[in-house]
Amino acid sequence: EDKVVQSPLSLVVHEGDTVTLNCSYEVTNFRSLLWYKQEKKAPTFLFMLTSSGIEKKSGRLSSILDKKELSSILNITATQTGDSAIYLCAVGGSVTGANSKLTFGKGITLSVRP
Amino acid sequence: DTEVTQTPKHLVMGMTNKKSLKCEQHMGHRAMYWYKQKAKKPPELMFVYSYEKLSINESVPSRFSPECPNSSLLNLHLHALQPEDSALYLCASRPAWGRSNQPQHFGDGTRLSIL
Repeated sequence: EDKVVQSPLSLVVHEGDTVTLNCSYEVTNFRSLLWYKQEKKAPTFLFMLTSSGIEKKSGRLSSILDKKELSSILNITATQTGDSAIYLCAVGGSVTGANSKLTFGKGITLSVRP
Repeated sequence: DTEVTQTPKHLVMGMTNKKSLKCEQHMGHRAMYWYKQKAKKPPELMFVYSYEKLSINESVPSRFSPECPNSSLLNLHLHALQPEDSALYLCASRPAWGRSNQPQHFGDGTRLSIL
């Protein structure tokens, strides 16, 4: 059975801190790893990673995949209160043939205090 | 607001009611998904449609009945639900089935409460 584990499950930091969120996985026929941010409603897409060792960056957020270690990290620098959210890691693997579905981790709840 | 539109945003229904959730996207995506999300839990996949055909049913009880009438629209018909079915129901879509380099985009969800 496919498995995605995120850590820590929750984190409280102060504005300006840097945080690192972790995701590890065991998936049949790995295709991609995705990070989403969820506030009150829909998960919003942050990054999709398919190749090991290549960092994706968007503003203060960055993420990298390590296929050898079956893991990924999401870094947020100079955190702001607006970064408070649940960060979901999801991994896409093959079910049969070209079919693919996402397996989600439990999410990391990040609280940024002013 | 996202490009995947779900209606209604909130729904309260009794256990004997029949209602439907609607999801619409006009991005030309041909894979569409229904997820159920309970509080403080990750989304759980329910159904996947590929090119308007049901391709994955994650052993969902028959009181949930999906329908994909065209490439832009996905419905979830609800009948005789139980209180434990109260949750946020999320719809997602992605450009093409089998192409792994495109992410799923989620709607804002319908928050469903069963009395």
